[in-house]
Amino acid sequence: DAKTTQPPSMDCAEGRAANLPCNHSTISGNEYVYWYRQIHSQGPQYIIHGLKNNETNEMASLIITEDRKSSTLILPHATLRDTAVYYCIVSNSGGSNYKLTFGKGTLLTVNP
Amino acid sequence: NAGVTQTPKFQVLKTGQSMTLQCAQDMNHEYMSWYRQDPGMGLRLIHYSVGAGITDQGEVPNGYNVSRSTTEDFPLRLLSAAPSQTSVYFCASSLRDRGAHGYTFGSGTRLTVV
Repeated sequence: DAKTTQPPSMDCAEGRAANLPCNHSTISGNEYVYWYRQIHSQGPQYIIHGLKNNETNEMASLIITEDRKSSTLILPHATLRDTAVYYCIVSNSGGSNYKLTFGKGTLLTVNP
Repeated sequence: NAGVTQTPKFQVLKTGQSMTLQCAQDMNHEYMSWYRQDPGMGLRLIHYSVGAGITDQGEVPNGYNVSRSTTEDFPLRLLSAAPSQTSVYFCASSLRDRGAHGYTFGSGTRLTVV
């Protein structure tokens, strides 16, 4: 699986958009970008994933650059409950994809 | 639906003791995994299973055994606990056709080995 690089920490004001970057310059053509988050030492929670098109769901939006070497997770209106460690993971979503490789992630702190 | 249930939530062991961390899911998920998380680190894969009767090693398997006799259960055994195994352990499960975006994690077992 391709390696990812994320900033160790970021701050965001409550109600503003939080934009979390991720670099994955060695991503291969069949690898997806996944985002999970971990709130206060709970188990990680799936947020969103994508291959090359931008994706949006009820939690967030995922913007993937055209060359697929980087992506940005966007939380449109961050709340205090969004304070968490956010993990960007690149993995093959084929039939054998059952292993997630977590890095250290980005600690997002949402401030009142 | 209880999701992924891990027991116990907390455990203190003495060096050399053995124990089993329990993980059960009621979602009929084929994939199950065990991860450990040390302070300030991401999760590291210990063992995983793609179905009943099938297990394999992850990134950090030494000192741990697993078995998968049923779809629902995936226990993790510590054979002879060491202080280096002090960690938070997470179990996760997923449907085969959802793969990496379908994982549900348990709430974790906090293990201290003294």
